[in-house]
This record gives sequence, structure tokens and C-alpha cells, in this order.
Amino acid sequence: DTGVSQDPRHKITKRGQNVTFRCDPISEHNRLYWYRQTLGQGPEFLTYFQNEAQLEKSRLLSDRFSAERPKGSFSTLEIQRTEQGDSAMYLCASSLTRTNTDTQYFGPGTRLTVL
Amino acid sequence: GEDVEQSLFLSVREGDSSVINCTYTDSSSTYLYWYKQEPGAGLQLLTYIFSNMDMKQDQRLTVLLNKKDKHLSLRIADTQTGDSAIYFCAEPLGDSKIIFGSGTRLSIRP
Repeated sequence: DTGVSQDPRHKITKRGQNVTFRCDPISEHNRLYWYRQTLGQGPEFLTYFQNEAQLEKSRLLSDRFSAERPKGSFSTLEIQRTEQGDSAMYLCASSLTRTNTDTQYFGPGTRLTVL
Repeated sequence: GEDVEQSLFLSVREGDSSVINCTYTDSSSTYLYWYKQEPGAGLQLLTYIFSNMDMKQDQRLTVLLNKKDKHLSLRIADTQTGDSAIYFCAEPLGDSKIIFGSGTRLSIRP
């Protein structure tokens, strides 16, 4: 495993449907982050986990969004009752807090299109 | 407030140097990042600089940091077509999140 992987890479859904995305971090990394990126913008922080604990959630994360990292390894991000405004690229990143920069390494993203 | 600002576009001729500029807001940031994003791809960490440094050079990349003005720049020497991408300046906020600029789209003219 040489990097962060995300699945699926693309998801097209109809408004009102639920979707779930998966992220597999770099294997020894203890932190995992979710970001959202809309067209023409930089990524915006959504939430992060240290091991299995979800330590921070952005106000962007409405109650329709839920993220889990049950065993401190992979994570899922679920969006319930999707809306057109949820269309974006969802990026996952991971880091190892023992390093002096806590550098976040990003996956390729899941592009969500809500019709 | 939390804001990282960059110009949106830069066009340079192949072989010339590219300079991408950024201003940030959090003077307590201990380091700052440059990320690269190619079309349809995730973000690739290009380089970072500690806040106690003024300059960092890594092959064709030179990062300059002016803490007084909260100004960060990325210079790419001998710009190639493979350098076409969006470049994001970013700073950590607190112990967790990274705040990104809107990105500078670099295009290369033949």
C-alpha cells in the first residue's frame, strides 16, 4: 500500500438517495480526514479521526452527513437524502502524528454528482 | 479570520520560470504547504516550509516565506508542460485541519 485509496471514484445519484464513500488510509497513519472540494475552490475541512475517535466536525457537516472509523483503519462517509448542493469532490487524507509536520496525504477523491 | 488567498490564473511560456504567490493569515503557523492538483486527481504534496525558514529549495522548486507580510511564494524553474495543474497554498489551523487557498491554475504556452 503506497497511498490513500478511495472508493468509488465516481458516484452519480438522484436527489434524495443515500450514498456511502470509503477511504483506506496509509496503513500506519493514525489520523484520517475528510474534505470537500467544489469546482474552482480549494478543499474545505469536514471532519477528522484520530484512531477510531472523531475529534472534530466542521459546521459544513450537516446532520445528513455521518462519518465513521470503527476500527481505526478505513473510514466511511455517508450522506443521507442527498441534495444537488452536495455535488462535489470528497477527498480523504491521512497523517501520522508522530512526524514533526503531521503532513496530510490525500487520496484521489470521490466525485459525487447529484441529479 | 481564516483565509488563504491566491491569484486564480497564471500563464507562462514553456522554459520560463513560474511564480505563484499566496498570502495567509495565521502568524502562528509553524509550517506552510504547497500542494499540486492535476485534472481529476487528488492533491499531491509538493513541498512545505517551516516558519523559521526564509527559503527552501528542492530541485526546480523554490519556496520563499516573508513572515512579516505573511506572504508565501512558489517558484518553478524551467516550467514544463507537465507542470500544468492547480497549485494550492495551505496552512494548518490548530492541531487538525488545513486551510487551503482557492488555487492558482498554471497553464503553459508553447
